Amino acid sequence: DVKVTQSSRYLVKRTGEKVFLECVQDMDHENMFWYRQDPGLGLRLIYFSYDVKMKEKGDIPEGYSVSREKKERFSLILESASTNQTSMYLCASSPQLPGTDYGYTFGSGTRLTVV
Amino acid sequence: GNSVTQMEGPVTLSEEAFLTINCTYTATGYPSLFWYVQYPGEGLQLLLKATKADDKGSNKGFEATYRKETTSFHLEKGSVQVSDSAVYFCALGSSGSARQLTFGSGTQLTVLP
Repeated sequence: DVKVTQSSRYLVKRTGEKVFLECVQDMDHENMFWYRQDPGLGLRLIYFSYDVKMKEKGDIPEGYSVSREKKERFSLILESASTNQTSMYLCASSPQLPGTDYGYTFGSGTRLTVV
Repeated sequence: GNSVTQMEGPVTLSEEAFLTINCTYTATGYPSLFWYVQYPGEGLQLLLKATKADDKGSNKGFEATYRKETTSFHLEKGSVQVSDSAVYFCALGSSGSARQLTFGSGTQLTVLP
């Protein structure tokens, strides 16, 4: 069964900590995405990557960075966590042109609480 | 650019009621259309899809028909169950070279026993 795996379901971190959220896919997909989801705001794209070592800013990249050293792994980094980054974080992957037929495959999400 | 407009929620229904969640879109060309479902505390799962006009996607009793003339992809189910309580997202994929999907804002559905 094809899968996108996020390393943690729940995380609690302190303000100012550096936080790493990991995402791994086993489908040999080119594209990977990080979203955050907050009540009433829907899905907001943070960063995405079309290839190894490539990254593109999404709609809300401030306070975040990403790393894609291998095709299967896409990491989201909170350089200095703040309470307004408390959220559900969703990783997704897709083949090169998802709009034609495939769409995205999502991970189960990481609920991050910054205290 | 592409956009997806979904029916505002939340929607509350009694078990066995008929469900419609409206979705309309704006896009150039011939996009593919998707419905995703998110159960509490989970990620999104693909529920159904349609890749061309007049196609009907179906899964788990849910259906949606790709209507190009009305630019719509409304989600329907004839008899909802408590287990259908979730957030439903409509999404659009461009037929061009775009690598991203465009999502609607999501509709929360609660089904009461």
